[in-house]
Amino acid sequence: GPKVLQIPSHQIIDMGQMVTLNCDPVSNHLYFYWYKQILGQQMEFLVNFYNGKVMEKSKLFKDQFSVERPDGSYFTLKIQPTALEDSAVYFCASSLDGGSNERLFFGHGTKLSVL
Amino acid sequence: DAKTTQPDSMESTEGETVHLPCSHATISGNEYIYWYRQVPLQGPEYVTHGLQQNTTNSMAFLAIASDRKSSTLILTHVSLRDAAVYHCILRGDQGGSAKLIFGEGTKLTVSS
Repeated sequence: GPKVLQIPSHQIIDMGQMVTLNCDPVSNHLYFYWYKQILGQQMEFLVNFYNGKVMEKSKLFKDQFSVERPDGSYFTLKIQPTALEDSAVYFCASSLDGGSNERLFFGHGTKLSVL
Repeated sequence: DAKTTQPDSMESTEGETVHLPCSHATISGNEYIYWYRQVPLQGPEYVTHGLQQNTTNSMAFLAIASDRKSSTLILTHVSLRDAAVYHCILRGDQGGSAKLIFGEGTKLTVSS
């Protein structure tokens, strides 16, 4: 079936550095999402994105976070600068459209370790 | 989105049929009932969804009460691979971008 790919699977960086997490969504999908999951806790919605714009963001989507999808390539989550509390697994998802009858497909996540 | 209530955990044995309940007493008319499952170190996997009618696919049968205030995900002949946290999520249109909001879900344990 359709797959969402996330690259890399694990990233280790020093606090204060910039990090970019990459997501290759399902090819014809138009809506994109990022979620954050701290080990042992529930998945938390961060942001969704359509047509070059952030549609909705949660309070977890701090000013240090940004998303973009330049020229239809990877959908990226950039954190600049990183903080210790940003350590988590970040999941990307995509859907064909934004309607509630359209399922989301999730990637396997990128584990971010901020030291 | 309206809230769902699920048991924290359930146990089963390989080959059994499992009924995972979900209560959603304040569901709105335009909200779909989604089920996802997640195993450690992987992203959530879509299981099924429905609005009003019962639905079935290769993974599960979703039984929706006639008043839509509850639903049950039915897994037949469970295997060890079905062990996961199962999330029941209500999802309605929110200005054209209907996000999923995850709760704690039900942790299903399957023993051999």
